[in-house]
Amino acid sequence: DAGVIQSPRHEVTEMGQEVTLRCKPISGHDYLFWYRQTMMRGLELLIYFNNNVPIDDSGMPEDRFSAKMPNASFSTLKIQPSEPRDSAVYFCATTRLASDIQYFGAGTRLSVL
Amino acid sequence: GQNIDQPTEMTATEGAIVQINCTYQTSGFNGLFWYQQHAGEAPTFLSYNVLDGLEEKGRFSSFLSRSKGYSYLLLKELQMKDSASYLCAVINNAGNMLTFGGGTRLMVKP
Repeated sequence: DAGVIQSPRHEVTEMGQEVTLRCKPISGHDYLFWYRQTMMRGLELLIYFNNNVPIDDSGMPEDRFSAKMPNASFSTLKIQPSEPRDSAVYFCATTRLASDIQYFGAGTRLSVL
Repeated sequence: GQNIDQPTEMTATEGAIVQINCTYQTSGFNGLFWYQQHAGEAPTFLSYNVLDGLEEKGRFSSFLSRSKGYSYLLLKELQMKDSASYLCAVINNAGNMLTFGGGTRLMVKP
């Protein structure tokens, strides 16, 4: 398996623009997690899905953030409008069972100018 | 809530042994993970403890004491490639969400 695939790897945008991050999970993994990592706050869980259904989005910082999982092979995290404080590395991780090992994608490094 | 503490940075010498500690105070506990993260890369799984005691895997070992809310990761025969951040993470009672500590950045020097 190719592992968890995220795109783009790097994104540079201007404040106010819409940003869409993408994730393709490992086939057969029913759980998908979106994390954000910064120097100040470390690795934080934003939202997770089980069988394409959002289960817990309590980590989503505000209404500017939204996430979808239209099918078992694809998820998006959208920021609209983006702000400089959203600059971070965003990771997608997937697992077969909820308490199992999470496998991380390579991440998307987002810079909002 | 969840509170997980690790030292921010550690330095050790190639060939030596280093122990990275992690203490946690959580509203629920269903296991503890250690992940390794090289600079600019994704976290990768190292070890998992759910029962008290030591789990050994090659040069890496992880220990857990649930009563003390304490774990450590032991790295033996350090190599330069072990320079990375080491993240301690606790899984909640429901067994569906990980909370990560801030990570310990380990620098291995010749």
